[in-house]
Amino acid sequence: DAKTTQPNSMESNEEEPVHLPCNHSTISGTDYIHWYRQLPSQGPEYVIHGLTSNVNNRMASLAIAEDRKSSTLILHRATLRDAAVYYCILRDGAAGNKLTFGGGTRVLVKP
Amino acid sequence: DVKVTQSSRYLVKRTGEKVFLECVQDMDHENMFWYRQDPGLGLRLIYFSYDVKMKEKGDIPEGYSVSREKKERFSLILESASTNQTSMYLCASCIRGWDEQYFGPGTRLTVT
Repeated sequence: DAKTTQPNSMESNEEEPVHLPCNHSTISGTDYIHWYRQLPSQGPEYVIHGLTSNVNNRMASLAIAEDRKSSTLILHRATLRDAAVYYCILRDGAAGNKLTFGGGTRVLVKP
Repeated sequence: DVKVTQSSRYLVKRTGEKVFLECVQDMDHENMFWYRQDPGLGLRLIYFSYDVKMKEKGDIPEGYSVSREKKERFSLILESASTNQTSMYLCASCIRGWDEQYFGPGTRLTVT
């Protein structure tokens, strides 16, 4: 499976944007980029996913580099409820089912 | 709202016991998954199922089995629990194999 690399942790102030980087230099043409987050004492929660183009939804935006070797999850205005571990995951569109979670980035939001 | 429920939040069992972890989803999803989560190792896929009575091994199936007799229910079975199976167990479901997965709250299993 193609691997992703994320910083272990990041800090942000409340109401400010958060940019979470993810490197995936061995990404293949059929790999989708998925982001999940896990709040304390909860199961992971889907955030967003994309293939080649930038994506927006109510939770976040996903910016994908032109060569697809990296991507950035953008939380536009961090709130205290956004404090979580964020996972960047490559999912093989040809293989379908499997999600392989790495270590993720722990986001701390300061009031 | 999509809802995935797991039978217990916390469970304590003894070594050698047979353990059943139950997962139920109410969204008529085709696909269901069992993961375990351990510090430093992230989430690892144990088994998944893409239809009733169908199952596929994930990355770490040893020591586990599964059962899917009804579409909404996916059970994880530890035939003879061991201390190295102490972990957080997470169930998930999705409509199609490549869609977003919805996770349950997890079961923290301790085997003593």
